[in-house]
Amino acid sequence: DIVMTQSPDSLAVSLGERATINCKSSQSVLYSSNNKNYLAWYQQKPGQPPKLLIYWASTRESGVPDRFTGSGSGTDFTLTISSLQAEDVALYYCQQYYSTPYTFGQGTKLEIK
Amino acid sequence: QVQLVESGGGVVQPGRSLRLSCAASGFTFSSYGMHWVRQAPGKGLEWVAVISYDGSNKYYADSVKGRFTISRDNSKNTLYLQMNSLRAEDTAVYYCAKVSWGRAVNGAFDIWGQGTMVTVSS
Repeated sequence: DIVMTQSPDSLAVSLGERATINCKSSQSVLYSSNNKNYLAWYQQKPGQPPKLLIYWASTRESGVPDRFTGSGSGTDFTLTISSLQAEDVALYYCQQYYSTPYTFGQGTKLEIK
Repeated sequence: QVQLVESGGGVVQPGRSLRLSCAASGFTFSSYGMHWVRQAPGKGLEWVAVISYDGSNKYYADSVKGRFTISRDNSKNTLYLQMNSLRAEDTAVYYCAKVSWGRAVNGAFDIWGQGTMVTVSS
């Protein structure tokens, strides 16, 4: 199984500041035949289902604000929120969909400082 | 609009069975792979199972293999999860989710239902 490890577990950032969440996979999720990273980022707010933010490691889902950016390749990935807004307080998960079981990271809790 | 609505959750005794349903609307259900994902109270997300668009391919997490069965009825736009031999550790909110692209099973999950709670307790 591919193990997904996020860091940090929790993060407090001031409004308007940058937030950075890291995700590392235990093996590469880059599929060589199409050069795509099978990595997604989700946001989950209390009492709600997860919401897809980023797929293919760096493609923003329709309707997601452009302050959310995904980057990285192979085994190391980053979700960056360029200017934190109050509505960004949530749990964030990375997930690999390269191979079953489609594992998630443990989650990173993002709060306002 | 595109929507997934789960049902069938509840309180069940250990060792008993339960069947969850996920009703899809607003998209061509028969063209997409579908997943079940669960979340135990206060815990993270755990992928459970996936079924291909036509039902021909199914994959399971080791934690549920042999006990849970994923299926679909494309004529009814409905996804199912048959859960047998339930254990306390199966207690969770169960979400169905749609694969984001094509007829693949390995895609990001772009649409999620609101979830249905399953509690396994004597």
